Amino acid sequence: DTEVTQTPKHLVMGMTNKKSLKCEQHMGHRAMYWYKQKAKKPPELMFVYSYEKLSINESVPSRFSPECPNSSLLNLHLHALQPEDSALYLCASSQGQGRFFGPGTRLTVL
Amino acid sequence: AQSVAQPEDQVNVAEGNPLTVKCTYSVSGNPYLFWYVQYPNRGLQFLLKYITGDNLVKGSYGFEAEFNKSQTSFHLKKPSALVSDSALYFCAVGRYSTLTFGKGTMLLVSP
Repeated sequence: DTEVTQTPKHLVMGMTNKKSLKCEQHMGHRAMYWYKQKAKKPPELMFVYSYEKLSINESVPSRFSPECPNSSLLNLHLHALQPEDSALYLCASSQGQGRFFGPGTRLTVL
Repeated sequence: AQSVAQPEDQVNVAEGNPLTVKCTYSVSGNPYLFWYVQYPNRGLQFLLKYITGDNLVKGSYGFEAEFNKSQTSFHLKKPSALVSDSALYFCAVGRYSTLTFGKGTMLLVSP
C-alpha cells in the first residue's frame, strides 16, 4: 500500500460545529503532516508529527487540534472555525526525503 | 533560510512541443529538490527529486529535471507535452520536516 488516504473528501460545517478530518497511511512512515492549501497557492505547513509526537506547530490557531493515535493515523479536530478557514486540507507522510500527499479534504465553513 | 522561486505564473505550450517549467532555489548546503504536480481538486503528486548524483533526474509521466548548481536552478522539462499534462506544478526545496514550496506554475497544454 503506497498511498495516503483522507476522509471525508468534502466537508461543510457551520462556525459552531465540531468535526474531524482523518488521515491514514500504511507505508510505515514515521513522520506525518497537516497542510492547508488555498486555491492555486502552495500548501502551508500546519503541524508535523514525528514518531507520534507533535514536533512542529506552525502557530496554528487553537481551533485546529491535531491528534496522532498511532503511527498510521492522523486526525485534525476542528471547532469554532471561521469562513476564512475554508480550504483544501492535505495530509502527508514521509520517511526520509520528500512527501507522499493524500488527496485532501475540501472544507467549507459557512 | 531556504527559498524557491518559480518566475512564471503560467506556461502555455502546444501539444507535442517541448515544455519547460522554471525553478530556482536558495539554500545553505546541498539542496534536496522536488517537483510535485497537482490536478484540479486533487492532492499533490510526486514527480521527481534530486538528492545527489546525476544532474539529469528522470521522473514520472516522462518528466525530467536538470539540476544546475552554478545557476541554482532545477527546471522541469518534458520533450513532448500532452493535453493531460495541464496542471499546477510546484517546485520545492528542503530536507526532513522542512519543505519550502514555490508559488506554483500553471501549465496549460493546448490541443
